[in-house]
Amino acid sequence: ILNVEQSPQSLHVQEGDSTNFTCSFPSSNFYALHWYRWETAKSPEALFVMTLNGDEKKKGRISATLNTKEGYSYLYIKGSQPEDSATYLCALSPYNFNKFYFGSGTKLNVKP
Amino acid sequence: NAGVMQNPRHLVRRRGQEARLRCSPMKGHSHVYWYRQLPEEGLKFMVYLQKENIIDESGMPKERFSAEFPKEGPSILRIQQVVRGDSAAYFCASSPIGSYEQYFGPGTRLTVT
Repeated sequence: ILNVEQSPQSLHVQEGDSTNFTCSFPSSNFYALHWYRWETAKSPEALFVMTLNGDEKKKGRISATLNTKEGYSYLYIKGSQPEDSATYLCALSPYNFNKFYFGSGTKLNVKP
Repeated sequence: NAGVMQNPRHLVRRRGQEARLRCSPMKGHSHVYWYRQLPEEGLKFMVYLQKENIIDESGMPKERFSAEFPKEGPSILRIQQVVRGDSAAYFCASSPIGSYEQYFGPGTRLTVT
């Protein structure tokens, strides 16, 4: 069992604030790191998948970085909007074509 | 291309009954994964299947739980003689051959009364 930890557990910000979350994982077991955005009663939606140390991905106001040597990834949201309110999950896949190990998520609430 | 479909979305069973959860992967996807989210916990892997084969069932409880992914039709997660502790959200994900990405369905919420 691989331990994937996310912090903080929840976050409340005002509209317009920028925010970031952390995903930590054991650096010795790594193939890919995935970020998902999950709204209540919907399917988790894939945001990014990263495999290489130093990877940076961006989609609109959301970006992510990866450090496989020290075992962490950051997700950044610039200028948060109420529609960004969701739970953000990270998942580690230690091998290709295999199960994911999920963190418990960061629940973001953006107040208008 | 429709996403991963799961049905039913909500299922209520009495203790001792059987629960059958269905997952139709995205078109062209031949790998299916089942995950469970217990109350106040994160998603936990249960089983990984390819068509007609169970590849990894290391996350499945030893008794009462089974899964299949037949040549034709959806993948089925079957829970026999359900107990209250089986109440959870069950999610299915699929991926195509050669991809390490998984696409998730909306889940089935099982309530055992």
